[in-house]
Amino acid sequence: EDQVTQSPEALRLQEGESSSLNCSYTVSGLRGLFWYRQDPGKGPEFLFTLYSAGEEKEKERLKATLTKKESFLHITAPKPEDSATYLCAVQSLGKTSYDKVIFGPGTSLSVIP
Amino acid sequence: NAGVTQTPKFRILKIGQSMTLQCTQDMNHNYMYWYRQDPGMGLKLIYYSVGAGITDKGEVPNGYNVSRSTTEDFPLRLELAAPSQTSVYFCASSRGEAGNTIYFGEGSWLTVV
Repeated sequence: EDQVTQSPEALRLQEGESSSLNCSYTVSGLRGLFWYRQDPGKGPEFLFTLYSAGEEKEKERLKATLTKKESFLHITAPKPEDSATYLCAVQSLGKTSYDKVIFGPGTSLSVIP
Repeated sequence: NAGVTQTPKFRILKIGQSMTLQCTQDMNHNYMYWYRQDPGMGLKLIYYSVGAGITDKGEVPNGYNVSRSTTEDFPLRLELAAPSQTSVYFCASSRGEAGNTIYFGEGSWLTVV
């Protein structure tokens, strides 16, 4: 069964304290892995798409990496405005015209000044 | 850019009432989706559509209905509301090709009492 898990469930960092969020997945075939940011009371906002193992993408203080079984979202020198829930999603190969997208439960990040 | 727009933002329903959540997108996307998000559970797909006139069930379709008469609009109908349908609902859209980004609306908070 296709599955996406994220760890930790919640993370508190001091401003400037770098860390990583983990997304582990089990799918029959990977079409793409997505990272989203979700602020309280808002819809998920797209950050990155990764398609194959070894791929990396960066945006400001965020860097996403992908292996065959997991993805990491590295946060370098975070600021309070990076506080949000980060969602990982995996698109798997489908048997119909629809390639299913499965979301993980998210990691809630708090960055303390 | 408006993107994905959903209404209402907040609604309180009594058990047994019915209502429709409206969703429209202005990106000319073929694929549209309805998700619900419960605390700690991640986003669960309710229904999706790959084009006008075509809809299909997702993971949690019971108690809901959809229609897709135009490319832009994808309303979600709740019949005979139950407390288990208390949740945050997100409408989303994508071009539909493999690995394509899914764009989300701002969410609709529904409480059934």
